[in-house]
Amino acid sequence: DIQMTQSPSSLSASVGDRVTITCRASQNISKYLNWYQQKPGKAPKLLIYAASSLQSGVPSRFSGSGSGTDFTLTISSLQPEDFATYSCQQSYSTPPTFGGGTKVEIK
Amino acid sequence: QLQLQESGPGLVKPSETLSLTCTVSGGSIRSSGYYWGWIRQPPGKGLEWIGSIYYSGSTYYNPSLKSRVTISVDTSKNQFSLKLSSVTAAHTAVYYCARLHLLLFDIWGQGTMVTVSS
Repeated sequence: DIQMTQSPSSLSASVGDRVTITCRASQNISKYLNWYQQKPGKAPKLLIYAASSLQSGVPSRFSGSGSGTDFTLTISSLQPEDFATYSCQQSYSTPPTFGGGTKVEIK
Repeated sequence: QLQLQESGPGLVKPSETLSLTCTVSGGSIRSSGYYWGWIRQPPGKGLEWIGSIYYSGSTYYNPSLKSRVTISVDTSKNQFSLKLSSVTAAHTAVYYCARLHLLLFDIWGQGTMVTVSS
């Protein structure tokens, strides 16, 4: 199985901050990397697919980059509704696997 | 728009079988190119894919759970189901159903909490 490792596991930030979350794959996954946002008690929501493509309806302050084994999710200006847990997921091979999540909290 | 809704018991006894159903509304489970899957999330932990099924009945399971898992589909009811046998407390989790396209989970159900306890 491909292991997905996220860092940091949590972070504190203020509204308006630029936030960057990193995801590393245990082997080359090309651009088969997706990002999800999950709020407490809710299902994950797809934000970005294929490393850098924004899902329909997702605000443009979210962006993704990377290829191979190293990927980043960036929120350019953190908004109150962005406080949540973010998880990466590889769709390169079966079984699809997820990172452990990064919790973004209010400073 | 397409919606998924999980249903089933919230409490299962150890060694028994966990059974859940996902009902698809606003679209057909026969949609070409889409698989339908189950994912679980133990309390405070990350997401784990359990398995997926195509409307034809073709299935893929996570090797870590394969010996315990059965996923089936009922196209007449627009539903697919999960059975997880011989459960233990380690199987306590929120269980989600989702639509998959090329191993990408694009639409999720709201999730249902299942507790394994006597």
